[in-house]
Amino acid sequence: ETGVTQSPTHLIKTRGQQVTLRCSSQSGHNTVSWYQQALGQGPQFIFQYYREEENGRGNFPPRFSGLQFPNYSSELNVNALELDDSALYLCASSLDHSETQYFGPGTRLLVL
Amino acid sequence: GEDVEQSLFLSVREGDSSVINCTYTDSSSTYLYWYKQEPGAGLQLLTYIFSNMDMKQDQRLTVLLNKKDKHLSLRIADTQTGDSAIYFCAENSNQGGKLIFGQGTELSVKP
Repeated sequence: ETGVTQSPTHLIKTRGQQVTLRCSSQSGHNTVSWYQQALGQGPQFIFQYYREEENGRGNFPPRFSGLQFPNYSSELNVNALELDDSALYLCASSLDHSETQYFGPGTRLLVL
Repeated sequence: GEDVEQSLFLSVREGDSSVINCTYTDSSSTYLYWYKQEPGAGLQLLTYIFSNMDMKQDQRLTVLLNKKDKHLSLRIADTQTGDSAIYFCAENSNQGGKLIFGQGTELSVKP
């Protein structure tokens, strides 16, 4: 059984650019949650997708948007990148929206 | 409000027990979790406890939950150098299934 995978592993962008991060959920899981982890901090919830619909959002501006596909994989899009967006972006999948979340390895984004 | 707090650092000798503590604020949380993060890696689920339980044991790991004080602890018996990592406590929230994490406790195991 394949676990949660994320791509790319690392990414460097410049301020003002746009970025798309991808996540493949674990087999049989219909829910994907995205988190931002700044250096030295705990992960902060961005949003969750359950059966292709947004099911909750954290305190992030609208330039953070997402999508979930019929195969339950997901994308996180960030527009107008700012220096403070530099972080590890973690994706987690779960059997259902209230079930235990299993995390991928993360994508490390550096904004210059 | 929602808040999870942990002490930042813990140092132990190999073979000793480690106890990592956490306090949380949301009394409606149904599950509480412990995750482990090694350098440069994602989060690995270690264990979790349902809110109506007081204790859960899983091999070298023991989780204790005091609901009255909103206090959660993780005990690692016979701590090994491979246990060196950052440990995160998290509670689930009824708001859209999000997890609320503490800042993490960095465990250092000295030989």
